[in-house]
Amino acid sequence: DTGVSQNPRHKITKRGQNVTFRCDPISEHNRLYWYRQTLGQGPEFLTYFQNEAQLEKSRLLSDRFSAERPKGSFSTLEIQRTEQGDSAMYLCASSESAYNEQFFGPGTRLTVL
Amino acid sequence: GQQLNQSPQSMFIQEGEDVSMNCTSSSIFNTWLWYKQDPGEGPVLLIALYKAGELTSNGRLTAQFGITRKDSFLNISASIPSDVGIYFCAGQLLETSGSRLTFGEGTQLTVNP
Repeated sequence: DTGVSQNPRHKITKRGQNVTFRCDPISEHNRLYWYRQTLGQGPEFLTYFQNEAQLEKSRLLSDRFSAERPKGSFSTLEIQRTEQGDSAMYLCASSESAYNEQFFGPGTRLTVL
Repeated sequence: GQQLNQSPQSMFIQEGEDVSMNCTSSSIFNTWLWYKQDPGEGPVLLIALYKAGELTSNGRLTAQFGITRKDSFLNISASIPSDVGIYFCAGQLLETSGSRLTFGEGTQLTVNP
């Protein structure tokens, strides 16, 4: 399977705990994106990378959120001191360039108790 | 910021019927994309549109990029039960919003066999 992969698929945590998600983009895709989707809504942009450089961050990305793409391949999204409002589906997407389509992974469903 | 209005919010149709859904924006985009999402999964790309006025087909799906660059529609012909899901439109404007996609709120399609 050469699509975008995300791990874990599901995560249940207690409020106040830290969580980390991983995204592996399609091979040789330079751009990697993170989105968040809550129930009944479309995905909302969080941040994106061009290779290892984080080029844009949404206002949704509070200081408890941090994303990295250290070698320009896989990316991690960490949420510190989780809150119940962080419960959502976290989606990763990748594209060859800014001018190409974004392909999404299956998402990580986060539930904060 | 940019907002996408997607309609209808939901549709209940009989197998074999044609379906039409659309998105309108308060501002222009230079790319329109249509995705389908099944429960618990990430969005799957259906059609990408890059030029105002462009009409593109993918099997039973047809989508058009409005000439004003502020709207797009998706048609599904001869619907089948596996067409059930949530359909999202997404717009992109590289000049001002970078690579981020702005999504509509989705159209929930139910097909009765």
